[in-house]
Amino acid sequence: DQQVKQNSPSLSVQEGRISILNCDYTNSMFDYFLWYKKYPAEGPTFLISISSIKDKNEDGRFTVFLNKSAKHLSLHIVPSQPGDSAVYFCAASEAGSYQLTFGKGTKLSVIP
Amino acid sequence: DAGITQSPRHKVTETGTPVTLRCHQTENHRYMYWYRQDPGHGLRLIHYSYGVKDTDKGEVSDGYSVSRSKTEDFLLTLESATSSQTSVYFCAISEQTGNEQFFGPGTRLTVL
Repeated sequence: DQQVKQNSPSLSVQEGRISILNCDYTNSMFDYFLWYKKYPAEGPTFLISISSIKDKNEDGRFTVFLNKSAKHLSLHIVPSQPGDSAVYFCAASEAGSYQLTFGKGTKLSVIP
Repeated sequence: DAGITQSPRHKVTETGTPVTLRCHQTENHRYMYWYRQDPGHGLRLIHYSYGVKDTDKGEVSDGYSVSRSKTEDFLLTLESATSSQTSVYFCAISEQTGNEQFFGPGTRLTVL
């Protein structure tokens, strides 16, 4: 049973527009959520995180929104740039847990 | 970037041979992890370590063993490699549970 789901395997966006990547989860014990970006032949890079006590966290062009009642989070990238083209993974963990549970990833392509 | 290296970066081996992958960190982080990434599965935890000589199993631990004799090194061993263990292996580190994990560059392993 997949606890973290990224239902869109891929997404294409024009440069300068907003990219919205979505993630759903089923485990109500998750209280910390993260987004990672991954380029080919490299390891995942931590991008941004959010605790369950917040509903929004911003870092430059990246904003993560959390809707706990819907068990849904999203990553907004504004404006999108060609260098943002990568695979984005959503991950979640329970309080005090060592383990991150990852989604399968969404491949973002930003078209110049 | 977190100081994490993995060796080798690429390896081709034959079914039935033993293989050891090494992860080395210079951050003095307590927690270390081994993941595998496969198409359609995202990242899945194999084993993790919460201190020297303290390790435990993750989601997909069958066929793998680990050892940690020093804070900076975490070894992943495939006692008898199988074709189903062809994958990209990532090491990760974190300071505490519930924090973001930082990933190494990965090792691409092919078992023929």
